[in-house]
Amino acid sequence: GQSLEQPSEVTAVEGAIVQINCTYQTSGFYGLSWYQQHDGGAPTFLSYNALDGLEETGRFSSFLSRSDSYGYLLLQELQMKDSASYFCAAPNRDDKIIFGKGTRLHILP
Amino acid sequence: DVKVTQSSRYLVKRTGEKVFLECVQDMDHENMFWYRQDPGLGLRLIYFSYDVKMKEKGDIPEGYSVSREKKERFSLILESASTNQTSMYLCAWGSGYEQYFGPGTRLTVT
Repeated sequence: GQSLEQPSEVTAVEGAIVQINCTYQTSGFYGLSWYQQHDGGAPTFLSYNALDGLEETGRFSSFLSRSDSYGYLLLQELQMKDSASYFCAAPNRDDKIIFGKGTRLHILP
Repeated sequence: DVKVTQSSRYLVKRTGEKVFLECVQDMDHENMFWYRQDPGLGLRLIYFSYDVKMKEKGDIPEGYSVSREKKERFSLILESASTNQTSMYLCAWGSGYEQYFGPGTRLTVT
């Protein structure tokens, strides 16, 4: 089977850096994706890591370690608009995605 | 600009009614997906389709069926709506590692 575990909530201060972790157990692993979802909105794709290491896209970075079955999303220079839920997700060989249950990010002014 | 549209943003139906949720994508993509999202449970895959007239069950297909008569359109059908199908329904297209979602339909079954 497959499962992805991430914290249910994280709180950080505006302007700071926050890391959202995701650990996974999968029968076959192809990579780790991240999605952002604002209240009332649809999930939007942020990044995908197929290989170990850090991928940077502006203020957001995503990291993967296959040996540790672990990844994280790093958000820098936090802004109030980053308040949202963040989901890690992993595809399987059938092109389906398994999603984590999401981490709600609260940002304090 | 990529577009995924869903037929309704909000829908209220009665128990036992047959409900159709429609999704249209304009990217000519083969893969389309239907999810439901509930608090604390995240996104769960109901059905997906790799091409016209093809369908595959996801993790929670019970009580649902789908139709894909045209490549751009993927419909989710609740044969006899029940209160436990009250949820947010999200359609998506894409691959296993990158998907694009429609705005969602919040369905309430009373």
